Amino acid sequence: AQTVTQSQPEMSVQEAETVTLSCTYDTSENNYYLFWYKQPPSRQMILVIRQEAYKQQNATENRFSVNFQKAAKSFSLKISDSQLGDTAMYFCAFMKRDSNYKLTFGKGTLLTVNP
Amino acid sequence: KAGVTQTPRYLIKTRGQQVTLSCSPISGHRSVSWYQQTPGQGLQFLFEYFSETQRNKGNFPGRFSGRQFSNSRSEMNVSTLELGDSALYLCASSLELGEGKTQYFGPGTRLLVL
Repeated sequence: AQTVTQSQPEMSVQEAETVTLSCTYDTSENNYYLFWYKQPPSRQMILVIRQEAYKQQNATENRFSVNFQKAAKSFSLKISDSQLGDTAMYFCAFMKRDSNYKLTFGKGTLLTVNP
Repeated sequence: KAGVTQTPRYLIKTRGQQVTLSCSPISGHRSVSWYQQTPGQGLQFLFEYFSETQRNKGNFPGRFSGRQFSNSRSEMNVSTLELGDSALYLCASSLELGEGKTQYFGPGTRLLVL
């Protein structure tokens, strides 16, 4: 079975600064997808960024980028120029390529952006 | 395009009752998945449906069931409710082809069992 570990339950950052959220996972699979989802307070979960394991290039979406280290089974999320609206719970998630949409989530990291 | 919708948004039930939650996927999406979110256990996969067939099931008791209709709308049912079933139930839909298996989530149904 796959497991996803987010070792930082809570983090805080000053507005406009950069922060990195950690995620490690355990799997024997070679083909899989990794995701970061964001869940703002009392609002719905939205996709931040997605990485396909067979792609060596790290995914980037505007201010969000990942550092994907397949051998180390590490998938960290970097948020640049943090904004107040980035305050949310961030979940790292894993999906086997042939798993028919079953996501395995980490416990989440609560990120607070301070003005 | 409208997002994933879930009804009702909030629900209060008592132990022993049953409940049905509904999910309407994004237009054109044929896969619907359900997740339970609690403070203690986090986000856990319940089941996934595609073309009215359950393709995948998580480790939940048989009291949790679901179905999908021909228009891809899905319902999940929990019978004989227990206090521990209090949770946010999230539905997610996906386009079967393309988009690298991205799931789009609805706002959830918050269930409180008294």
